[in-house]
Amino acid sequence: QKEVEQDPGPLSVPEGAIVSLNCTYSNSAFQYFMWYRQYSRKGPELLMYTYSSGNKEDGRFTAQVDKSSKYISLFIRDSQPSDSATYLCAMKGASGGSYIPTFGRGTSLIVHP
Amino acid sequence: DTGVSQDPRHKITKRGQNVTFRCDPISEHNRLYWYRQTLGQGPEFLTYFQNEAQLEKSRLLSDRFSAERPKGSFSTLEIQRTEQGDSAMYLCASSFHDRENSPLHFGNGTRLTVT
Repeated sequence: QKEVEQDPGPLSVPEGAIVSLNCTYSNSAFQYFMWYRQYSRKGPELLMYTYSSGNKEDGRFTAQVDKSSKYISLFIRDSQPSDSATYLCAMKGASGGSYIPTFGRGTSLIVHP
Repeated sequence: DTGVSQDPRHKITKRGQNVTFRCDPISEHNRLYWYRQTLGQGPEFLTYFQNEAQLEKSRLLSDRFSAERPKGSFSTLEIQRTEQGDSAMYLCASSFHDRENSPLHFGNGTRLTVT
């Protein structure tokens, strides 16, 4: 079992839908959680960075962390065709071997007009 | 802030040849990471530097791979005697490491194709 599990999709939604992307993890040392967006043939672009359990909002994006369940989510409101990309979750700890960010395999999102 | 820059964007080489990639991090960042990404997978850690010191290497990094970061600025990743299995996107990322553990910022990668 991988340390970070992420459903690869693809997830196909109509424009305007609310999208929910999720990751689970097994390493309880993970304390910092990130979401990246990656377009084809480009590098990952940081979207959200959170530390504590709870919600963090930035525009149309909301990141949610539930450390007790080892589960994180990214919600995208009013999705647009330009949101079509692969979304990667990543996480790391504060010390030891867990401080190197570990990535999920990414979820492919398609938003159709 | 010009972001993380990687060169070349794409490299095609024949099996057995050596290749070298360059990464220029964000100027104030003291940590630099190399990751490898294959199709349909997330980035896999290879190695990282804090300033000029290489602090950790993954088991994925065979002895054909070597990385340097002279003077703690740009970094190079060299692959000797390339194999077809080395075909992948090689991503560089940087961060400013202090007490608050900042996130990684990536470049657009170097896509390696070994024929």
